[in-house]
Amino acid sequence: EAEVAQSPRYKITEKSQAVAFWCDPISGHATLYWYRQILGQGPELLVQFQDESVVDDSQLPKDRFSAERLKGVDSTLKIQPAELGDSAMYLCASSLRGTSSNNEQFFGPGTRLTVL
Amino acid sequence: AQSVTQLGSHVSVSEGALVLLRCNYSSSVPPYLFWYVQYPNQGLQLLLKYTTGATLVKGINGFEAEFKKSETSFHLTKPSAHMSDAAEYFCAVRRSGGSNYKLTFGKGTLLTVNP
Repeated sequence: EAEVAQSPRYKITEKSQAVAFWCDPISGHATLYWYRQILGQGPELLVQFQDESVVDDSQLPKDRFSAERLKGVDSTLKIQPAELGDSAMYLCASSLRGTSSNNEQFFGPGTRLTVL
Repeated sequence: AQSVTQLGSHVSVSEGALVLLRCNYSSSVPPYLFWYVQYPNQGLQLLLKYTTGATLVKGINGFEAEFKKSETSFHLTKPSAHMSDAAEYFCAVRRSGGSNYKLTFGKGTLLTVNP
């Protein structure tokens, strides 16, 4: 069964360091999402890609966060410099192209980031 | 704009008892509604969804939910809880049109099942 892959699964870093997370969506999925889930909260969308283009990054803290999907396949989310408040689970999801009501988002296992 | 309110951050039931997790939504356009389950240190798995048509939706693992437009609710139920149902459950809403498929999630409800 096709799955969304994410790495690393766990990351511990010190504040002010740079971190990067990688996501490989399900093959053929044109839309890719990065969500942040703070402990005890629901996921919140950081950025949405349609192919290689950003559709929505209104909640992405652009002073320290960046995301790219250069070839419209896999994606990288970067934080530089990391702050204590960035400790969270970072979830990647993907879905097929289009406005179909069956456009389900499939989630990866997430990367748990701890900033010390 | 859309929002989701999940009533009760923690629900505890006995094995075999009815499970009821509450979700109310706010949306300016007809919504699509979803329930996801998350086990510790894992991603989210879709339980069920409402898009159009029948308002009573059946999902995996014996769960079902009913869309009630007049009450702006989409409560999740299961007749008989199993130990394996212990997890966190998230209700989410999405616009039914447009090109932004962003999901807006509630804060989640942690379900505990007691033997």
